Amino acid sequence: SAVISQKPSRDICQRGTSLTIQCQVDSQVTMMFWYRQQPGQSLTLIATANQGSEATYESGFVIDKFPISRPNLTFSTLTVSNMSPEDSSIYLCSTTSGSAQETQYFGPGTRLLVL
Amino acid sequence: GENVEQHPSTLSVQEGDSAVIKCTYSDSASNYFPWYKQELGKGPQLIIDIRSNVGEKKDQRIAVTLNKTAKHFSLHITETQPEDSAVYFCAADHGGYSTLTFGKGTMLLVSP
Repeated sequence: SAVISQKPSRDICQRGTSLTIQCQVDSQVTMMFWYRQQPGQSLTLIATANQGSEATYESGFVIDKFPISRPNLTFSTLTVSNMSPEDSSIYLCSTTSGSAQETQYFGPGTRLLVL
Repeated sequence: GENVEQHPSTLSVQEGDSAVIKCTYSDSASNYFPWYKQELGKGPQLIIDIRSNVGEKKDQRIAVTLNKTAKHFSLHITETQPEDSAVYFCAADHGGYSTLTFGKGTMLLVSP
């Protein structure tokens, strides 16, 4: 299975600022995913990021608010822009692995608190 | 789109008892059903998964059953231990696509 790390692990930010979250995978992977997990809630997919193409955003998420980069096959970033307290969440990246390319493995998450 | 319902939202058992968590899904094209365990302060960890060509899968104390006709699947944990305490999420794929839809989660508390 892929080993995934995220930076920062947590942060406290002021409203109106932006934060960029980094996701690093220990092997080359095609697909990477970004999720949001609001306090006590389930995981909601923000976007799918494939290397060499624009990220695909899910309904309710837009590129201006959550720009994503995917510069190579082991790395991706998610920026949370112009933050408000409603953006306080855990942000998780994941990737698929295995022969069937269905199994998703998650990073440890970035815990964001916006004041 | 896919909709995944998960029950119960909380489950308390005594150590050694069995625990069962149930999920239903809406998309008949879904073929892949993973279960994740999330401990406090950590990311979700895959514990077991099942594909639509299999009705049951077991891994030590954990088993998953799938009924494609009824569109439901269940997680069974036997001989529960306090370290099984966590939030468990079921998920379903989107008919061959890699994206997953997650249930709302079940908080399992195992009391010694």
